[in-house]
Amino acid sequence: GNSVTQMEGPVTLSEEAFLTINCTYTATGYPSLFWYVQYPGEGLQLLLKATKADDKGSNKGFEATYRKETTSFHLEKGSVQVSDSAVYFCALSPRNTGNQFYFGTGTSLTVIP
Amino acid sequence: KAGVTQTPRYLIKTRGQQVTLSCSPISGHRSVSWYQQTPGQGLQFLFEYFSETQRNKGNFPGRFSGRQFSNSRSEMNVSTLELGDSALYLCASSLDVSSGNTIYFGEGSWLTVV
Repeated sequence: GNSVTQMEGPVTLSEEAFLTINCTYTATGYPSLFWYVQYPGEGLQLLLKATKADDKGSNKGFEATYRKETTSFHLEKGSVQVSDSAVYFCALSPRNTGNQFYFGTGTSLTVIP
Repeated sequence: KAGVTQTPRYLIKTRGQQVTLSCSPISGHRSVSWYQQTPGQGLQFLFEYFSETQRNKGNFPGRFSGRQFSNSRSEMNVSTLELGDSALYLCASSLDVSSGNTIYFGEGSWLTVV
């Protein structure tokens, strides 16, 4: 079946610290992988995506690489800011199933000044 | 370009009632999917519509239903509401149903069942 396992939170970091949020997946075939971010009271926004093995998605200083051999898509940022405080969701979209996404449980990040 | 619009944003219903939520996708998007978000279960897929046809359905009881209109707008309905239906209901739209599409979410409809 399809599932996403995401690092448990909450995570608290100081400003300018390095961030890693782990994400591993189980899927039939080769899915597309996504990171979404949810700010308080809002819907989810796409942060980055990768659609095939070894692709690197990047946006706003965040990066994640699609690793087929380890079935992982870990999110990283070199220097977090207070404005990065949010909940981060890893997700997969199986191939040829339309837009049915499978989401991880979310990781809450708080960045303190 | 306007984003995904969901109405109403907040509503309170009594157990046993029914509710209808509305979603207007991004202009030009023909696929609409619905998700339920709760603290305990996280984000769970409800169903997806494309060209007025339901393409996929998640593991939810028949009390949850939806439809899509010719202008791609979608509604979902929950009948005989239960306390456990209290959740944030998120609508997402996408251009079509090609693999690897990004889905774009609305801000959601907060449903409280009392």
